[in-house]
Amino acid sequence: AQSVAQPEDQVNVAEGNPLTVKCTYSVSGNPYLFWYVQYPNRGLQFLLKYITGDNLVKGSYGFEAEFNKSQTSFHLKKPSALVSDSALYFCAVRDGADSNYQLIWGAGTKLIIKP
Amino acid sequence: DVKVTQSSRYLVKRTGEKVFLECVQDMDHENMFWYRQDPGLGLRLIYFSYDVKMKEKGDIPEGYSVSREKKERFSLILESASTNQTSMYLCASRLYREGGTEAFFGQGTRLTVV
Repeated sequence: AQSVAQPEDQVNVAEGNPLTVKCTYSVSGNPYLFWYVQYPNRGLQFLLKYITGDNLVKGSYGFEAEFNKSQTSFHLKKPSALVSDSALYFCAVRDGADSNYQLIWGAGTKLIIKP
Repeated sequence: DVKVTQSSRYLVKRTGEKVFLECVQDMDHENMFWYRQDPGLGLRLIYFSYDVKMKEKGDIPEGYSVSREKKERFSLILESASTNQTSMYLCASRLYREGGTEAFFGQGTRLTVV
């Protein structure tokens, strides 16, 4: 069955430190992977995606993510966290073998950056 | 930039009322979606539409219906609102279903049913 797991409900990081928000997935075909961010009382904003090619993907606001096929992971990273990065982060996957082309969503990880 | 606009940011409705949530996108996207978001549950797909007058049930369609008479507009209807439909509702659009195109979201409608 298709699934996405974000194993941490919340991640706390000090400002200036590197941050990682974890995501693992399970699909039957090739995965299309996405990260979105949601600021309080707002909709979701697209951050970055992996479709094919280089395993390291760079996105908005200095974020990047690394596709690891053997570990079925797509962790979101940033070298130096800002207080303004505090938000809810969602990982999503589309199964390339799924003719419905639907996104499967993780439950979200709340990122808190402390000054 | 793509703009997806939901008609209301906040709504309070009474149990049993018929509720309409409207969503408009301005980039000629083929696909449109309605999700509800609840804490700890992520996003759950209610209905989606691949094109005008087309609709497909998502994971939790019970108690909801949709309408897509024009390409840019996708409406979610709560036939008889209940308190368990209190939630954040998110509309999204996507250029087309093939490939890896990303979805764009509206700002959300926080619905409270009392």
